[in-house]
Amino acid sequence: ETGVTQTPRHLVMGMTNKKSLKCEQHLGHNAMYWYKQSAKKPLELMFVYSLEERVENNSVPSRFSPECPNSSHLFLHLHTLQPEDSALYLCASSQGTGARNTEAFFGQGTRLTVV
Amino acid sequence: AQKITQTQPGMFVQEKEAVTLDCTYDTSDPSYGLFWYKQPSSGEMIFLIYQGSYDQQNATEGRYSLNFQKARKSANLVISASQLGDSAMYFCAMREFAGNMLTFGGGTRLMVKP
Repeated sequence: ETGVTQTPRHLVMGMTNKKSLKCEQHLGHNAMYWYKQSAKKPLELMFVYSLEERVENNSVPSRFSPECPNSSHLFLHLHTLQPEDSALYLCASSQGTGARNTEAFFGQGTRLTVV
Repeated sequence: AQKITQTQPGMFVQEKEAVTLDCTYDTSDPSYGLFWYKQPSSGEMIFLIYQGSYDQQNATEGRYSLNFQKARKSANLVISASQLGDSAMYFCAMREFAGNMLTFGGGTRLMVKP
């Protein structure tokens, strides 16, 4: 148990659906991240929020829309996804973003399948 | 250009033996941190060990140690006395001082044989 909780753990959605992934941390961290982990590809950083402001957006398609209402919660809103978006989506949090020794704590991920 | 390279897609090790997982990195930032994470089949990423670029000594955490060779830009993870529960994916990662990103390598799948 890392202190970062993701729901749901598994999600199957059609290409026309709208769904949201939720991430919650109670570690007192002020930075949160979304990563995408596809088969046979390195872990890809999607979004970074620091103090509830988006500080990094790694050229992610607009069908992925993040939301960070407060420092403890992070959402990833999904709409009109493609089958190639099927992946494990990992949320992480850390205390700050710039310090080089700041490790990130990860949730267990949401396994997303787009059909 | 890939910043973190893990050249071993898969590794086998006999239980109770030591194993080294390779990681090389590329950065022009003199200040950076290197991390190793373990990902079991359940999916969560578990932080194992950290090495700072200015640290004089190699990091150790229990059975994990990091063989840090700064001039060669390598940060290999050494697991001593392997256990069956060590079977998992292992990821090397780097955070540069100037950036917000924790960049990961492609991972190495370690399989411990009884």
